[in-house]
Amino acid sequence: EPEVTQTPSHQVTQMGQEVILRCVPISNHLYFYWYRQILGQKVEFLVSFYNNEISEKSEIFDDQFSVERPDGSNFTLKIRSTKLEDSAMYFCASSESGRNTGELFFGEGSRLTVL
Amino acid sequence: GQNIDQPTEMTATEGAIVQINCTYQTSGFNGLFWYQQHAGEAPTFLSYNVLDGLEEKGRFSSFLSRSKGYSYLLLKELQMKDSASYLCAVPKGLSGGYNKLIFGAGTRLAVHP
Repeated sequence: EPEVTQTPSHQVTQMGQEVILRCVPISNHLYFYWYRQILGQKVEFLVSFYNNEISEKSEIFDDQFSVERPDGSNFTLKIRSTKLEDSAMYFCASSESGRNTGELFFGEGSRLTVL
Repeated sequence: GQNIDQPTEMTATEGAIVQINCTYQTSGFNGLFWYQQHAGEAPTFLSYNVLDGLEEKGRFSSFLSRSKGYSYLLLKELQMKDSASYLCAVPKGLSGGYNKLIFGAGTRLAVHP
């Protein structure tokens, strides 16, 4: 069964360092997303991406964040200068449809710990 | 904006039936999703309702009442592996779509023998 894969599964970094989280969406999906979940809190939307550009982003997704699809398979989230409050589980997701009725397929997540 | 409320925790006995409620307030309605999330894992899709009524899928059923802003997830014949958080979510997208899901805080269900 096709799945969304993410690397690394866990990354520990120092405050102020740059971090890149990687995702390989399901191959025939065209819509990609990043969500995050701070420990014990709700899953929060960060950004959606379609046709090589951001289609929507939340207030959380400030100038420290960027996304890229560097090739035909990877989708990355970069945090330029990490802060303590960026510690969270980051989930990549993809969908075949961009309609609001489409099912999202989530990856297993990348746990980011900022010290 | 979107506001979603669901109970924080529930407990139930193996083999029993449990109903997890969700109330929502949205500006515009594009359906309602239920996702299951085991601790430390990714959310996985359970159901999607856009019309009023009950949708049954094996041991899990989901109900929607748009006029009441209310949904519930019904789990039958509970198994220990059903211990997880159950997330109610509504999409809020641009007029052309795009899957921005607004999640509730989730209901943590503990199934005990």
